[in-house]
Amino acid sequence: QSALTQPASVSGSPGQSIAISCTGTSSDVGGYKYVSWYQQHPGKAPKLLIYDASNRPSGVSDRFSGSKSGNTASLTISGLQAEDEADYYCSSYTSSSTLLFGGGTKLTVL
Amino acid sequence: QVQLVESGGGVVQPGGSLRLSCAASGFTFRNYGMHWVRQAPGKGLEWVAVTSDDGRNKYYADSAKGRFTISRDDSKKSLFLQMDSLRPEDTAVYYCVKGWGSGTKTPDVWGKGTTVTISS
Repeated sequence: QSALTQPASVSGSPGQSIAISCTGTSSDVGGYKYVSWYQQHPGKAPKLLIYDASNRPSGVSDRFSGSKSGNTASLTISGLQAEDEADYYCSSYTSSSTLLFGGGTKLTVL
Repeated sequence: QVQLVESGGGVVQPGGSLRLSCAASGFTFRNYGMHWVRQAPGKGLEWVAVTSDDGRNKYYADSAKGRFTISRDDSKKSLFLQMDSLRPEDTAVYYCVKGWGSGTKTPDVWGKGTTVTISS
């Protein structure tokens, strides 16, 4: 199975909002609510930001929000801060009972 | 707090075997599905395998099927990944990841990882 499709990079200025897309198929993103988003700083382990497409675990800033429409999920970060500069990955449950990750998106805060 | 500590990584020749371990603490291990996820140097995340909370259901990525075996020992609060017939493309940091709830659909808390290098 191919990885979910994410833009390689996005950028924004402090205070702005950005969105990262994650495109799959009806056998993964489009077929289930189980889309998650992760943040990974260099040399660190990933951290769960969003689960079930739009839910935030406790302790995650409400500046992070998720949505899903059809075969595409999106992560929106509002009020960009320097500390948000990191790699972001989506993942989705699939019809084969496996998981797929996206290729990752590097966020640069200008 | 949840802690996951991986061990067992190292340098192995192609065709060799390695067994990774993950020691869990800070939560009721037997109640959660557990995943292995890997990351090749400079690359993105790749899901490897998952075991359900009761160990009855196990699923693998195509790249791991037939070569890797995930298992758990609830009495020792430990997760394992037996890796056989290793290839250079298996070189990666391997993360042990606690699942969200008892299900197998959402990796939640991640360990710091253990490094596996396949090289002659």
